[in-house]
Amino acid sequence: DGGITQSPKYLFRKEGQNVTLSCEQNLNHDAMYWYRQDPGQGLRLIYYSQIVNDFQKGDIAEGYSVSREKKESFPLTVTSAQKNPTAFYLCASIRGPGANVLTFGAGSRLTVL
Amino acid sequence: EDKVVQSPLSLVVHEGDTVTLNCSYEVTNFRSLLWYKQEKKAPTFLFMLTSSGIEKKSGRLSSILDKKELFSILNITATQTGDSAIYLCAVEEAGAGSYQLTFGKGTKLSVIP
Repeated sequence: DGGITQSPKYLFRKEGQNVTLSCEQNLNHDAMYWYRQDPGQGLRLIYYSQIVNDFQKGDIAEGYSVSREKKESFPLTVTSAQKNPTAFYLCASIRGPGANVLTFGAGSRLTVL
Repeated sequence: EDKVVQSPLSLVVHEGDTVTLNCSYEVTNFRSLLWYKQEKKAPTFLFMLTSSGIEKKSGRLSSILDKKELFSILNITATQTGDSAIYLCAVEEAGAGSYQLTFGKGTKLSVIP
């Protein structure tokens, strides 16, 4: 079955450490997205990528970095510069121009101790 | 100021009740409005609305859009405990050069037996 796989599901890290969240899709979708979800805040866009080797900042990109070396993969690194990294992170993808509905992964919950 | 505002932010009802969730928006070039249900992890797609006054229906759920007054409602009749979730409203704007959604903060619905 096609879908989006995020790993790990749960991650604990000490303050000051960089962490990388994985997102892999086998839907052959062109565009991929990273959202952050905090309680009572809805989903906020961190980064997105429409094609391989290209990505753009979203609304809250500071303290995060991404890469898009392969169509299937869009990893997110939460750097030590991110002041409040504890959150639920959702990866999503969409087929391409003209498509309207995002498909989401199951999310990764990051807790910084 | 938030572009997409959902109300109420949380709601507790008894099984069998009917609920109405609200989503108002203020964007420049509206293209579509989407509703998602998020139970524990990945949001799942419910409806996409693009035209005013046309009701979308799926079982006990229905939704309608008013483009003049800039809002949408999501109705759930004869609620069940399985309807307990966060309901997310998102708006797509046209002409951004890429597909992007702006999400509201969500409505947390709790259905008690």
